[in-house]
Amino acid sequence: QSVLTQPPSVSAAPGQKVTISCSGGNSDIGNNYVSWYQHLPGAAPKLLIYDDYKRPSGIPDRFSGSKSGTSATLDITGLLIGDEGDYYCGTWDSSLSGGFLFGGGTKLTVL
Amino acid sequence: QVRLLESGGGLVRPGGSLRLSCATSGFIFTDYYIGWIRQAPGRGLEWISYISSGGGTIYFADSVKGRFTISRDYATNSVFLQMNDLRVDDTAVYYCAKDFSLDRGGYPGRALDIWGQGAKVIVSA
Repeated sequence: QSVLTQPPSVSAAPGQKVTISCSGGNSDIGNNYVSWYQHLPGAAPKLLIYDDYKRPSGIPDRFSGSKSGTSATLDITGLLIGDEGDYYCGTWDSSLSGGFLFGGGTKLTVL
Repeated sequence: QVRLLESGGGLVRPGGSLRLSCATSGFIFTDYYIGWIRQAPGRGLEWISYISSGGGTIYFADSVKGRFTISRDYATNSVFLQMNDLRVDDTAVYYCAKDFSLDRGGYPGRALDIWGQGAKVIVSA
C-alpha cells in the first residue's frame, strides 16, 4: 500500500477539468518536491510536473500542479481523449532509509 | 536526445536470477542518479532502486533489499540491476529512469525526467 494517497479514479467529459489529489506526510510531501507522471497505455511514463508546479518543456499548460503542506494537486484542463490513462504523484521520502515514493495512481477516464 | 533503453528481461523460475541492463545516451552519464522502477500487472508504479552518479550511494526499496543489487559501468554508460532469488511477485515491467537533478551530493528524487520503454520480467514455475 502506497504512503502517498491518490483517488483510484476520476472522470470528466472532453473539454472539462479534473483535479487529482495526492496526500502524504511531513517526511515526504511536506519536506520534498512533488512530481507528477502520466502513464498512457503502451507507453513509458512521462514527467508532467516537477518541483511541485513546474512543467518540463513540451508539456502543455493544460497541466498544472500545486502543493500545500502535505498535499499536492494536479489539475488538467481542456481534457482530450488522449489524456486518458494513469497519473501518479511522486516524491522523496526523508525518513530513515530514504527512497522515492509513488502514489497509488489515479485512472483518468475521459467520457 | 536523451535516451534510456532496457534489456535483459525474460522468463525465469522462482528462486532464479536475471540481470537487467539500462543503456543510456544523450547526457553526461557521470552527472546523474539513475533509478529503477517497476509496474506489476494491474498495479501501480513502484520505485525499487537508485544509484548515484559515482556509484557510491545506493538506495533500495524494502521489497527488494538483500536480493537485488545495482551497479553502473562508465565505459558503456550503462546501469545494471542484478535480481537474485526472484519471486512470483517480482513479475513486472521494469523501467530505468534518469533523475532530474545534477548529482551534487544531496538526495535524488526531485523528479524522474526521462524513462526507458521497459523490460518485461516474468517469474513463473
